[in-house]
Amino acid sequence: EPEVTQTPSHQVTQMGQEVILRCVPISNHLYFYWYRQILGQKVEFLVSFYNNEISEKSEIFDDQFSVERPDGSNFTLKIRSTKLEDSAMYFCASITDLGGVEQFFGPGTRLTVL
Amino acid sequence: AQSVTQLDSQVPVFEEAPVELRCNYSSSVSVYLFWYVQYPNQGLQLLLKYLSGSTLVKGINGFEAEFNKSQTSFHLRKPSVHISDTAEYFCAVRFTGGGNKLTFGTGTQLKVEL
Repeated sequence: EPEVTQTPSHQVTQMGQEVILRCVPISNHLYFYWYRQILGQKVEFLVSFYNNEISEKSEIFDDQFSVERPDGSNFTLKIRSTKLEDSAMYFCASITDLGGVEQFFGPGTRLTVL
Repeated sequence: AQSVTQLDSQVPVFEEAPVELRCNYSSSVSVYLFWYVQYPNQGLQLLLKYLSGSTLVKGINGFEAEFNKSQTSFHLRKPSVHISDTAEYFCAVRFTGGGNKLTFGTGTQLKVEL
């Protein structure tokens, strides 16, 4: 069964460093998302991406964040200068197309900023 | 404003007892409704979804949920829980006209005891 994969599973970084979180969505999916979950809190939407551009972003997704689909398979989330409060679990998700409803989630990347 | 509320942050229950996890949403537009389960240190797994049609939907692991439009609720139920059901349960809503993003509730920690 096809699934969304994410690497790394756990990333530890120093405050101020740049990190790139990687996702490989399901191969025929066209619409991609990033969500985050701060420890003990709810899952929050960050950004959606379609046709090589951002479709929607939340107020959390400020200038420190960027997304990219550098090739036909990867979907990345970059945080330019990490802060302590960026420590969270980051989930990637995808759906087949604009008519799709069910989002398929990856296992997440736990980001720890020291 | 569109929102999702899970009033119970924790629900303790004995094994083989029934359980209901509550979810309410606030919206003037039509919705798609989801329940996800998150086991410790794992990602989000879809339990069930309501898109249209019958208001009673059945999901995996013996769970079911009922959509009540007048009450704007989508409560999750299981007639007899097992120790392995111990996990965090998230209600999520996709509001039509709000892009494809999911809005999550704060989650309910289900703890099944012997």
